[in-house]
Amino acid sequence: AQSVTQLGSHVSVSEGALVLLRCNYSSSVPPYLFWYVQYPNQGLQLLLKYTTGATLVKGINGFEAEFKKSETSFHLTKPSAHMSDAAEYFCAVSGNTGRRALTFGSGTRLQVQP
Amino acid sequence: DADVTQTPRNRITKTGKRIMLECSQTKGHDRMYWYRQDPGLGLRLIYYSFDVKDINKGEISDGYSVSRQAQAKFSLSLESAIPNQTALYFCATSPGGWETQYFGPGTRLLVL
Repeated sequence: AQSVTQLGSHVSVSEGALVLLRCNYSSSVPPYLFWYVQYPNQGLQLLLKYTTGATLVKGINGFEAEFKKSETSFHLTKPSAHMSDAAEYFCAVSGNTGRRALTFGSGTRLQVQP
Repeated sequence: DADVTQTPRNRITKTGKRIMLECSQTKGHDRMYWYRQDPGLGLRLIYYSFDVKDINKGEISDGYSVSRQAQAKFSLSLESAIPNQTALYFCATSPGGWETQYFGPGTRLLVL
């Protein structure tokens, strides 16, 4: 079984401030981990993913995430928020074997204040 | 042109009606998926298909059926729509394995 918990359904930051969106997962097999972003009235698009190898993963638009196995976490960060980062962010996990589907977290809506 | 398209984009229907949502892709991917999105619940998998002859139930398949007409087309049907099927529905594709999924723009469905 696998699951994802995103802490905080809404996060508000000031423009230029650090963005930290939290994601914890559970998985009975080594996980693949993903962050997707959904802009208003659009579908989801991939920000970054971890499969194997380097645990610090860099994605688009200056975002990065670090896989910490001991903490079962995959938190998303960006050093300096921009107004265009306002969106909903979803963490997702899948197993790296078999026919395991992607399991999504409930999402975190990021608001960026001017 | 978009790689993953969904029709219709918006639909209002009445309880008990049959409705079909369609998804087409030009990415050449074998795998296709249907999800529904509800506020505060994220995305939940309804059905997925690894190829034309391989269709599988997801987390919340009750009340839904699917048809994979070709590699490029994957349709979702609600045989008898009910109000709690009001949601945003997404189709997605992937090339193989649980790799990056590519999402369509979504269909917003309202069941009255």
